[in-house]
Amino acid sequence: EVQLVESGGGLVQPGGSLRLSCAASGFTFNRYWMHWVRQVPGKGLVWVARIHSDGSSTSYADSVKGRFTISRDNAKNTLYLQMNSLRAGDTAVYYCARLRFSAFDIWGQGTMVTVSS
Amino acid sequence: EIVLTQSPATLSLSPGERATLSCRASQSVSSYLAWYQQKPGQAPRLLIYDASNRATGIPARFSGSGSGTYFTLTISSLEPEDFAVYYCQQRSDWPPGVSLTFGGGTKVEIK
Repeated sequence: EVQLVESGGGLVQPGGSLRLSCAASGFTFNRYWMHWVRQVPGKGLVWVARIHSDGSSTSYADSVKGRFTISRDNAKNTLYLQMNSLRAGDTAVYYCARLRFSAFDIWGQGTMVTVSS
Repeated sequence: EIVLTQSPATLSLSPGERATLSCRASQSVSSYLAWYQQKPGQAPRLLIYDASNRATGIPARFSGSGSGTYFTLTISSLEPEDFAVYYCQQRSDWPPGVSLTFGGGTKVEIK
């Protein structure tokens, strides 16, 4: 079965750090660009970051640039999102997603990140 | 950044009725437009990619059309499980683009 499973979310204080993981299975992970998308509960979807299939290129939304780092370990079929200097505005459900053609065809179940004191 | 504007924000319809959702882009995205369905507590599910191609397993009652700056998602006859929020998404800033964007969503609710 093709699937993505996120982990690592939780409650963190403002200014703190958190690392999210996304374990892929059922497909050849190293052939795909991978992304993180977030969603404030009750609000819309917002793209966060992307990484090339071999990890050679990354891009970020302006709102997280310089604070978040996307990476991957193709040997472990795992995607990561290192989040530093977290703010209240980063509170959201974080999804990892596979890009195929021009759309996200596989999504994880999401992991909740809450930034609060 | 390309902005996607979805309308209406809410669509109140009855089962069996036809639903037409719109997505307008601030500049041309060619045919690189996708549609997703999201139900409460669930991840989005891909319905349509490249404006008019149904994703694997998506029923034929879902169809997409359009190109350039104006797109529509049509649900020919609403089933009870179709009441949800729908998002459009573009990726035409690619490469060397640095962002993909989503529309604000249309909620299809039971009338």
